Amino acid sequence: KAGVTQTPRYLIKTRGQQVTLSCSPISGHRSVSWYQQTPGQGLQFLFEYFSETQRNKGNFPGRFSGRQFSNSRSEMNVSTLELGDSALYLCASSLVAGVDYEQYFGPGTRLTVT
Amino acid sequence: QKEVEQDPGPLSVPEGAIVSLNCTYSNSAFQYFMWYRQYSRKGPELLMYTYSSGNKEDGRFTAQVDKSSKYISLFIRDSQPSDSATYLCAMPRNTPLVFGKGTRLSVIA
Repeated sequence: KAGVTQTPRYLIKTRGQQVTLSCSPISGHRSVSWYQQTPGQGLQFLFEYFSETQRNKGNFPGRFSGRQFSNSRSEMNVSTLELGDSALYLCASSLVAGVDYEQYFGPGTRLTVT
Repeated sequence: QKEVEQDPGPLSVPEGAIVSLNCTYSNSAFQYFMWYRQYSRKGPELLMYTYSSGNKEDGRFTAQVDKSSKYISLFIRDSQPSDSATYLCAMPRNTPLVFGKGTRLSVIA
């Protein structure tokens, strides 16, 4: 079974631009969560989608948004990029939403903002 | 106080050593406890998943949970150079996971 895939793997953008990252969950998984990983803050939760609906949202500004499609694929968008948005963005999928379902992570998208 | 605290290391041990990795947490509502391993330039992979206090063993890995002390541990026996990675503890608050900052481990051959 194929794992979680994320595209692109690496991205370089300049301040003020916007970016869209994509995540394809494991086949059959309906829940997708997004996390930001930085050396200073570690892994921080961005948002979670289940059946095309946002179930939870972390403490990030409105410049960070996401959506989920009917095939469970998900995208996240960051508008008006800032230098501090440079991070590894990780997507995780699970069978359904809930604390007792394991989350499987993709390899991440490394975003560099210059 | 952060919800989950983890010593970032780095931790360097010789091959064959027993490694102890630890996390403390403040939220008594946490019921599930996970350990993820993250190799450089990769996403985290689930290593161990435990519920409630006690020990769980999987090969060379043992996860230990002490809810009364809000303290969890991961022990690695007979450590190998391939165990060199960052180890992250995580606990679900509803579905989103709350992570420790991770401990970077190097096992020297």
